[in-house]
Amino acid sequence: GAVVSQHPSWVICKSGTSVKIECRSLDFQATTMFWYRQFPKQSLMLMATSNEGSKATYEQGVEKDKFLINHASLTLSTLTVTSAHPEDSSFYICTTYRWGEAFFGQGTRLTVV
Amino acid sequence: KNQVEQSPQSLIILEGKNCTLQCNYTVSPFSNLRWYKQDTGRGPVSLTIMTFSENTKSNGRYTATLDADTKQSSLHITASQLSDSASYICVVSVRYTGANSKLTFGKGITLSVRP
Repeated sequence: GAVVSQHPSWVICKSGTSVKIECRSLDFQATTMFWYRQFPKQSLMLMATSNEGSKATYEQGVEKDKFLINHASLTLSTLTVTSAHPEDSSFYICTTYRWGEAFFGQGTRLTVV
Repeated sequence: KNQVEQSPQSLIILEGKNCTLQCNYTVSPFSNLRWYKQDTGRGPVSLTIMTFSENTKSNGRYTATLDADTKQSSLHITASQLSDSASYICVVSVRYTGANSKLTFGKGITLSVRP
């Protein structure tokens, strides 16, 4: 089945630095990638939708200048958390779909210290 | 606008009890509906998939129902266990031709099972 590979699985960074999270579709071309964030004991919250070759669509309340999304190719979408702060510490996960089925990345646990 | 609404937003039950999670959708044309279980810090795992013609489908202690006329689905968990504590996400697929069928995600239901 289709696989989405997300890296890194966990990362610790200092406050003020930037972190890049990658999601790759390994055996199919993903024209759309959804990026979710999950705080402890809460459900997945959609942050943005990226489409290959165009600008991402951000959900209300998500800062597009802080969470940079790039979907330059059909097999790679990236989320960069810029100038990270402790409140950005969260679980980030990407997902795409094919033939009516969602495929999720493994998720990234980001801790900002 | 295609939407998927889940209720309740969160739920706390005692171990051994049953519970039912709801999913209402306005997605059209409907293709299929999936329930996912997501443990905190891990990727979602598919529990069941329901197509238009299916009314009930079971996967162990999980039983999903679908009423395509009212556009409602439920996920019933029997004899809950502590390991059932997770988020449960309803995802509805729109029927399009081609590989890129569009999905609409519910916001999920947080279930906590207490001893």
